[in-house]
Amino acid sequence: ETGVTQTPRHLVMGMTNKKSLKCEQHLGHNAMYWYKQSAKKPLELMFVYNFKEQTENNSVPSRFSPECPNSSHLFLHLHTLQPEDSALYLCASSQNRLTNEKLFFGSGTQLSVL
Amino acid sequence: DAKTTQPNSMESNEEEPVHLPCNHSTISGTDYIHWYRQLPSQGPEYVIHGLTSNVNNRMASLAIAEDRKSSTLILHRATLRDAAVYYCILRDEKNSGGSNYKLTFGKGTLLTVNP
Repeated sequence: ETGVTQTPRHLVMGMTNKKSLKCEQHLGHNAMYWYKQSAKKPLELMFVYNFKEQTENNSVPSRFSPECPNSSHLFLHLHTLQPEDSALYLCASSQNRLTNEKLFFGSGTQLSVL
Repeated sequence: DAKTTQPNSMESNEEEPVHLPCNHSTISGTDYIHWYRQLPSQGPEYVIHGLTSNVNNRMASLAIAEDRKSSTLILHRATLRDAAVYYCILRDEKNSGGSNYKLTFGKGTLLTVNP
């Protein structure tokens, strides 16, 4: 148990659906991250939030829409996804965005887009 | 971020030590060396990090070469639960561009532990 909880663990959606991924951290951290891990590819950083403010959008398509209502919760809203968006989506948190802070990851949501 | 090079895969036997190498010949003076691992069906997990001196914690040891161009993660007694992908990552402490918090993952080393 890392203190970072992601739901759901698995999600299957059609290309016209709208769904949301949820991440919650119980560590008192102030920075939260979304990463994407496609099959056979390294993890890719998608978004970073620091004290609820988005500090990085790594050229992510607009069909992915993050939301950070408070420092403990992070959402990733999905709409009109493509089959190539199928991947493991990982949430992480850290104390803040200082470089030497270790990241704590959730177990991820395995997303399949049909 | 400076690049790291790791073997694609390594194999070890249970209860034996494992030495996972990482080359980072272009490392800068302000880069910390971080190691994470990812067990099957899990997110990555922090293992250890260091700058110049060797480091030890309950999970592993990190041996850093004197010129800092390479490092080795040491698992003292491998268990089946240590089977994972191990990532060696450099993080710049002094990147004034504001992206110094990024963890950039490579492909890592897939460690297989035989019973």
